[in-house]
Amino acid sequence: QVQLQESGPGLVKPSGTLSLTCAVSGGSISSSNWWSWVRQPPGMGLEWIGEIFHGGSTNYNPSLKSRVTISVDRPNNQFSLKLNSVTAADTAVYYCAKIAVAGTFLDCWGPGTLVTVSS
Amino acid sequence: EIVLTQSPGTLSLSPGERATLSCRASQSVTSRSLAWYQQKPGQAPRLLIYGVSSRATGIPDRFSGSESGTDFTLTISRLEPEDFAVYYCQQYDGSRTFGQGTKVEIK
Repeated sequence: QVQLQESGPGLVKPSGTLSLTCAVSGGSISSSNWWSWVRQPPGMGLEWIGEIFHGGSTNYNPSLKSRVTISVDRPNNQFSLKLNSVTAADTAVYYCAKIAVAGTFLDCWGPGTLVTVSS
Repeated sequence: EIVLTQSPGTLSLSPGERATLSCRASQSVTSRSLAWYQQKPGQAPRLLIYGVSSRATGIPDRFSGSESGTDFTLTISRLEPEDFAVYYCQQYDGSRTFGQGTKVEIK
């Protein structure tokens, strides 16, 4: 069974770049799945950030597209998120997730990691 | 972008009662691409329902999903203590959006 684990700095300075990695275990990132990032500001709802296929194809939330890059690292079985020009509004718990083969839903989630944007 | 509006914001019920949660889409949702998730405090969301009405692995049959046009419903037939949580709907039409969530709390 696939398991996901997010990692990265818990504190990022305003105007800096948020960088997170999602390690995939129990399965190959090169399987027939897309891989996604979702975030949740404290006390608020879920916001889809974007997703990637192992071949490198990506799909981003239009509202974040100008600041987001998602990439895949097949040798290390992981994928990554970079969000630049961050502000306090980017403070959130960031989740990585596996998208089911059907493509329409997220069937496996990491535990999440809190990233705070503050000086 | 398809906007999903969930109602009510909070549902106060007692264990054993029936819960009915609504998710209304701003336009037609791509064929059966509506899912529901449950989230408990401090935990990641968990997939409950996909394809409008199919239960995910391990989800008890007291959870069911249905649709009527652009209105989608999650029903919990008899609330168990572990069902008190926040529930989100999500759609996919090439871009993903989530509803704002419904909190089911103990009355």
